Amino acid sequence: SAVISQKPSRDICQRGTSLTIQCQVDSQVTMMFWYRQQPGQSLTLIATANQGSEATYESGFVIDKFPISRPNLTFSTLTVSNMSPEDSSIYLCSVGGQTNYGYTFGSGTRLTVV
Amino acid sequence: DAKTTQPTSMDCAEGRAANLPCNHSTISGNEYVYWYRQIHSQGPQYIIHGLKNNETNEMASLIITEDRKSSTLILPHATLRDTAVYYCIVRVADTGNQFYFGTGTSLTVIP
Repeated sequence: SAVISQKPSRDICQRGTSLTIQCQVDSQVTMMFWYRQQPGQSLTLIATANQGSEATYESGFVIDKFPISRPNLTFSTLTVSNMSPEDSSIYLCSVGGQTNYGYTFGSGTRLTVV
Repeated sequence: DAKTTQPTSMDCAEGRAANLPCNHSTISGNEYVYWYRQIHSQGPQYIIHGLKNNETNEMASLIITEDRKSSTLILPHATLRDTAVYYCIVRVADTGNQFYFGTGTSLTVIP
């Protein structure tokens, strides 16, 4: 299965600023997804990162707040914009798509907004 | 995708089999049952999946009822490292589809 490098692993940010999270995969993958996991909660899908086109966002998530790039089949970024304490969460990248087997998840970025 | 129902938490003695149930009564014919687990502070890990036949791999066994409305994940000899949140997900059999996570079962393996 693919190996994912997600950076940074954690960060503490001031409210009103933005943070860009990177997801690098060691092989080309068809599908890349971004999830959020709020403290003590399950994972919530933010969006599907589409290579060469705009990301597809889930209900409740908008591009202005969570802009996503995917310039090629091995890399994607998620930006959390104009952060507030409510954005404090773990953000995870997930990849897959060549088979019907389960997708691989990165280890996540633990974000704290103060 | 169909909704799943899992118990919030379970305990299991170390060395015993852990049987984690999942109800998915509205599953449709082309939806697979997937199991993931998330150990504290890590990303979710794929365990196993199946359509209607029982499946086994090096990590676990998956038993799906004949009507496919429920399933059980079996960890045959639970260890302390199996303490995690286990998620049961049903998903249409298409490689482009997303995984939507429910609340999962928090399994604690007791020494």
